[in-house]
Amino acid sequence: DAKTTQPTSMDCAEGRAANLPCNHSTISGNEYVYWYRQIHSQGPQYIIHGLKNNETNEMASLIITEDRKSSTLILPHATLRDTAVYYCIVRVALKGAQKLVFGQGTRLTINP
Amino acid sequence: DTAVSQTPKYLVTQMGNDKSIKCEQNLGHDTMYWYKQDSKKFLKIMFSYNNKELIINETVPNRFSPKSPDKAHLNLHINSLELGDSAVYFCASSQGRQANEQYFGPGTRLTVT
Repeated sequence: DAKTTQPTSMDCAEGRAANLPCNHSTISGNEYVYWYRQIHSQGPQYIIHGLKNNETNEMASLIITEDRKSSTLILPHATLRDTAVYYCIVRVALKGAQKLVFGQGTRLTINP
Repeated sequence: DTAVSQTPKYLVTQMGNDKSIKCEQNLGHDTMYWYKQDSKKFLKIMFSYNNKELIINETVPNRFSPKSPDKAHLNLHINSLELGDSAVYFCASSQGRQANEQYFGPGTRLTVT
């Protein structure tokens, strides 16, 4: 399974952009990068995913390096409600299905 | 309207008992999943069903048996509960076998004493 490496924890000031890095140096050419977050005691929430190109949606932007060995999730204007554990995941192909392999994630704390 | 619901939210039981957790989704998805999150917060997939067909079956003790009566429901039955089964169990759903955007339920906290 392709592995991801993320910092254990990060802090960010409210209103500033939060940039969360992720290394996935063993990623294969057809494997997608997904980001989810888990707010305390809740189920994980999908944020964004991408393959090669940068992606943006109403929640965040995803920047993937040209060699695809790393990516950065950007929350453009962090709020206190963005405090959560953020998971960078590489989707793994199985025979007839695909699965998400969650790592340890980054605990992001947004400070007032 | 709750998209993915689980019952019960909390479950406290003794070792050796048999228990079930139910999951329902009203999103019209055709794929459902069970995940286990242990005390160290690692989230690991256990099973996945697509249109009532088991498509992912990770290395899970056979005391755990998923059942999907229809594509909107995926239940998890656990026999002979052990202390190590204590965890939060999450159900999720998505459209298609590609593990696309998954919607998670609120979780069931199982405590085995």
